[in-house]
Amino acid sequence: DAKTTQPTSMDCAEGRAANLPCNHSTISGNEYVYWYRQIHSQGPQYIIHGLKNNETNEMASLIITEDRKSSTLILPHATLRDTAVYYCIVRVGGPGGYQKVTFGTGTKLQVIP
Amino acid sequence: GAVVSQHPSWVICKSGTSVKIECRSLDFQATTMFWYRQFPKQSLMLMATSNEGSKATYEQGVEKDKFLINHASLTLSTLTVTSAHPEDSSFYICSAGTANTEAFFGQGTRLTVV
Repeated sequence: DAKTTQPTSMDCAEGRAANLPCNHSTISGNEYVYWYRQIHSQGPQYIIHGLKNNETNEMASLIITEDRKSSTLILPHATLRDTAVYYCIVRVGGPGGYQKVTFGTGTKLQVIP
Repeated sequence: GAVVSQHPSWVICKSGTSVKIECRSLDFQATTMFWYRQFPKQSLMLMATSNEGSKATYEQGVEKDKFLINHASLTLSTLTVTSAHPEDSSFYICSAGTANTEAFFGQGTRLTVV
């Protein structure tokens, strides 16, 4: 699976959009971009994934650059409950929940009141 | 959506004893489950892949005789930490999913060995 690079930490004001970047310059054509988050002392939670097109769901939006070498997770209106470590993961294939997930170090997002 | 449940959420045990952690898929069948370990301020590290009806596959550096995995049914995998020592204190997390879903993670089990 391709390696990803994320900032170690970020702050965001409550109510503002949180934009979390991820670099995956070695991504292959058949690799998807996934985002998970882990709130303190809980198991990780799936957020969103995409291949080429931008994606949006009830939690977030995923913007993937045209060359697919980077992406941005957008939380449109961050709340205090969004404070968590956000992991950007690149791996082959679609959902494949039966496959293992390899976590990097992630970005610690602190939402500030 | 699909849910994966772990039990217990936390456990304290004495050094030298064994502890069993359960991971259940509540509304789907999981032929494969995964066990992760997370030390404070670190990321999740995959320990092993649990396969229903067959032996688990362990990651390099994980002692299979110390971390016993049993996946006896399509909805239950157990991780037993045998002869636990303080250095085994950690946050243990399981995950499961199907070909058509993303991976779902349990809420984690905080193990403290005293």
